[in-house]
Amino acid sequence: SQQGEEDPQALSIQEGENATMNCSYKTSINNLQWYRQNSGRGLVHLILIRSNEREKHSGRLRVTLDTSKKSSSLLITASRAADTASYFCATPAGGSNYKLTFGKGTLLTVNP
Amino acid sequence: NAGVTQTPKFRVLKTGQSMTLLCAQDMNHEYMYWYRQDPGMGLRLIHYSVGEGTTAKGEVPDGYNVSRLKKQNFLLGLESAAPSQTSVYFCASSLGETQYFGPGTRLLVL
Repeated sequence: SQQGEEDPQALSIQEGENATMNCSYKTSINNLQWYRQNSGRGLVHLILIRSNEREKHSGRLRVTLDTSKKSSSLLITASRAADTASYFCATPAGGSNYKLTFGKGTLLTVNP
Repeated sequence: NAGVTQTPKFRVLKTGQSMTLLCAQDMNHEYMYWYRQDPGMGLRLIHYSVGEGTTAKGEVPDGYNVSRLKKQNFLLGLESAAPSQTSVYFCASSLGETQYFGPGTRLLVL
């Protein structure tokens, strides 16, 4: 069963613009992760934010977490063509920290 | 460090045939997972393992079996393939929260 749901399903922007993707989830969590998947490849972990954190940065990535609204956002600043990929949020499944439930993903296309 | 590797990369099966997908990791991770990814469905957990000699069912286990005889290997078996098992299969491993994925196996069942 899906826990996280990304929004929008697809996003197309120009190089240099910022891209924002959102994730909403249903039950309380103690952390949330974002992964990237380039076409035809496996998922790659980007960032993990814990429930006691509001915001976290990693290079051009900024993740926020609002536990009261059960939502998270991923901002990619100054996007590049190489950022073209699907982005998934993942939350712990069944109360376990080692099992994850993934959303259906946001397909980001960055046009040169 | 190869990380997580999967064999084969691509396979075509006829309905009713059997096959085994191999996943190997060289990071000494305790946990290993098999997912399937279908268009518009995201990733769904098939089976997972919390250590050598252990396996457990995930969200969509029917039609699949797994074994983890060695800590570094996790095998996914299809005893009698069905067209509904056409998918991309990903293996992952972890020490806990963050998972590391293999490149995937594309399976077509005719």
